[in-house]
Amino acid sequence: DAGVTQSPTHLIKTRGQQVTLRCSPKSGHDTVSWYQQALGQGPQFIFQYYEEEERQRGNFPDRFSGHQFPNYSSELNVNALLLGDSALYLCASSLTAQGQETQYFGPGTRLLVL
Amino acid sequence: QKEVEQDPGPLSVPEGAIVSLNCTYSNSAFQYFMWYRQYSRKGPELLMYTYSSGNKEDGRFTAQVDKSSKYISLFIRDSQPSDSATYLCAMSANGNNRLAFGKGNQVVVIP
Repeated sequence: DAGVTQSPTHLIKTRGQQVTLRCSPKSGHDTVSWYQQALGQGPQFIFQYYEEEERQRGNFPDRFSGHQFPNYSSELNVNALLLGDSALYLCASSLTAQGQETQYFGPGTRLLVL
Repeated sequence: QKEVEQDPGPLSVPEGAIVSLNCTYSNSAFQYFMWYRQYSRKGPELLMYTYSSGNKEDGRFTAQVDKSSKYISLFIRDSQPSDSATYLCAMSANGNNRLAFGKGNQVVVIP
């Protein structure tokens, strides 16, 4: 049973560029959430996708956008990158129909903005 | 005041000791409480999951939730060097999948 997978594992960009990160949820899961984890901090909620719609959003600017595909996989896009966007980006999947809050995380994509 | 407070101070213990970790929170809507373990440069791994108040035990791990005090704890008995990791508390409200995390506690178990 494949867990949550993310690609790429590492990425280096320069300020002002745009980046796309990808996530495939755990088999059978229909909901994808994205989190940003700065060094030495806990993960911060960016947004959540369910049925191809953004269901909930955290306190992040609209430079952060996302998408969910019919196969439940998801993308996170960040435009006009800032140095402060350097972080580990985590994808978590869950099953909304299960009615509980258990989220399973992928290994993350480490983004460095120079 | 942050939603979830977790003292991030590193914790070093000898092998076999009991590790005690805790978090406090301010949002009384939180009903689901989790502990995640995160090894260096990896994603968080779900360790314990508790709904509402009470205790839950799983092997060497015990999670406690006291909603009246807005306080949760994780105890690790007979700690092993493989338990060396960062432990994150997380919580969410009923019907709300957004997880609010603490900053994490780095634990080092010394052989």
